[in-house]
Amino acid sequence: DGGITQSPKYLFRKEGQNVTLSCEQNLNHDAMYWYRQDPGQGLRLIYYSQIVNDFQKGDIAEGYSVSREKKESFPLTVTSAQKNPTAFYLCASSLLRQPNSPLHFGNGTRLTVT
Amino acid sequence: GQQLNQSPQSMFIQEGEDVSMNCTSSSIFNTWLWYKQDPGEGPVLLIALYKAGELTSNGRLTAQFGITRKDSFLNISASIPSDVGIYFCAVHLSGTYKYIFGTGTRLKVLA
Repeated sequence: DGGITQSPKYLFRKEGQNVTLSCEQNLNHDAMYWYRQDPGQGLRLIYYSQIVNDFQKGDIAEGYSVSREKKESFPLTVTSAQKNPTAFYLCASSLLRQPNSPLHFGNGTRLTVT
Repeated sequence: GQQLNQSPQSMFIQEGEDVSMNCTSSSIFNTWLWYKQDPGEGPVLLIALYKAGELTSNGRLTAQFGITRKDSFLNISASIPSDVGIYFCAVHLSGTYKYIFGTGTRLKVLA
């Protein structure tokens, strides 16, 4: 079955450490996205990528970095510069050739930084 | 920035009751989406709306794209315990590949 796989499901890190969240999709979607979700808030866009080797900052990109070396993969690094990194992180994808094509989400990674 | 106002924030209902929630914006959008998120999981697309005035059903779910293109509502008929979760509306920003999400309606169903 096609889908989006995020790993790990739960991640614990000490403050000051960088951490990378994995996102892989086999839907043959061109566009991929990273969202952050905090309790009581909607989803906020961190980064998105329309094609390989290209990506754009979303609304809250500070303290995060991404890469898009393969169409299927869009890893997110949470750096030590992110002041409040504990959150639920969601990866999504959509078809590029249909600009208003709905987003399909993975099952998320819950990051806890202490 | 652009915002979606989703209401109610949360609701408790009895099993079997109908549920209604809505999403409004001060801006016009050409695509409205409704998602459901179960605890600890990613959101799942319920209904996509692409045309003003469009009324679309998916089982017990019905959603409408407001005629002004500034709002949408989602109805759930005869609620069941598995309807528990957070329901998000989302809109597509024309000319981009970006989406904006509402803050969600948390639904709890009492058996």
